[in-house]
This record gives sequence, C-alpha cells and structure tokens, in this order.
Amino acid sequence: GQQLNQSPQSMFIQEGEDVSMNCTSSSIFNTWLWYKQEPGEGPVLLIALYKAGELTSNGRLTAQFGITRKDSFLNISASIPSDVGIYFCAGAYNNNDMRFGAGTRLTVKP
Amino acid sequence: NAGVMQNPRHLVRRRGQEARLRCSPMKGHSHVYWYRQLPEEGLKFMVYLQKENIIDESGMPKERFSAEFPKEGPSILRIQQVVRGDSAAYFCASSPDRGGNTIYFGEGSWLTVV
Repeated sequence: GQQLNQSPQSMFIQEGEDVSMNCTSSSIFNTWLWYKQEPGEGPVLLIALYKAGELTSNGRLTAQFGITRKDSFLNISASIPSDVGIYFCAGAYNNNDMRFGAGTRLTVKP
Repeated sequence: NAGVMQNPRHLVRRRGQEARLRCSPMKGHSHVYWYRQLPEEGLKFMVYLQKENIIDESGMPKERFSAEFPKEGPSILRIQQVVRGDSAAYFCASSPDRGGNTIYFGEGSWLTVV
C-alpha cells in the first residue's frame, strides 16, 4: 500500500481551539477512514465515509469525503487534552488496497 | 463481540532468534492485514490474507518474514533470525467478509530485538 499525503505532520494547539487536518491522493477511493492512535495502543476507528460528499460527525469530530473522491478532511472542535494522539487517514478502493497517511501528531496544551 | 486479539503484546528476542506474532480476527471477519510501525512513523502495509490464502504480500520483506492464516486458528506473522531493525510495533487488522472496506485494528505486538 502506497502512502497518502496527510497534512499537517504535527500540530500544537491550545485547549479549546478547533483543529483541521486533511488527506489527499492522486487515486480515487470509495472509502475514507480516520483513526486515532494513542501511545502504546492500536489505531482506533473514529469515522468511516463511504460516499463522495458525505459529511459525518462523531461527537466533536466531523469528517468529509471529498467530492472528487481524492481527498478527505477531519475537524475537531473545541479540543481537549485527551484529544492528544496521532490521527491517521486511510483510503481504500478495495479491501486489498488500503492506503494510510503518515499521520498528524496532535498536541493540546491546557 | 471481541475485537481483534493479538498476542503477545510485548516480545523481546535476541538477534538471530525467531519471533512469532499471533492475530485472531474479529468474529465474522476472514480478511486479515498486518502492518508494521517503526517508532515515530506511520503504518506500513505488510501483507493481506484471507483464510488459507495470501492475497497481497507486496509490503513483506523478501527474506526472513512470512505470514499465514490457516483454516483453523489465528494468523501468524513469523520473523526468522531477527535483527535490531525488526524492532517495531506490529499491528494486525481485520475486515468483514462482506459489506465495506472498514478495517479494525488490534492493540499491537511490540517486538524488541536486543
């Protein structure tokens, strides 16, 4: 699996601020997934998107499947200290071609 | 519904020994994936298996690494003659037999080669 382009690589924000990260690809996908990984743990699925243009929320998290099917973004509103971690995007066309971004490392200062 | 189960969680091996990592997928999942994560890096695809078949091993090193997913029992990632550079977290993931591309990860196996 090739890597997606995920940005930014890292973010240092103040508690209460909003966060935005995105992933882009030269290939089209029919699934976009967003995961969060905390130290010493495996990635945990946050949001799954299956249709172009789809906008899905999970609490303070909102993600969108780009209309071109080549990008996706994840927003976190009103960040809190426990949002700290590494956020990965993943795109897939088929089960055997899942590609991951390099991750966005989020630090939240109280 | 139990999640993806990996064991051991932590494994220490001396250079030259063998490491065996096990993964039991979620119930109803027959697709298994192995990923490697080096410290401070992202997830690198290694291999994708279905029961008794290797579908895509394009991310597997050509030597010393092998994977299987037998008809009965867990998937095994085997690393022979380990070297220091094999020290990493190895994550297994599984996906349903039908209905989408969503994959779910286990908690990982941390291999340390000393």
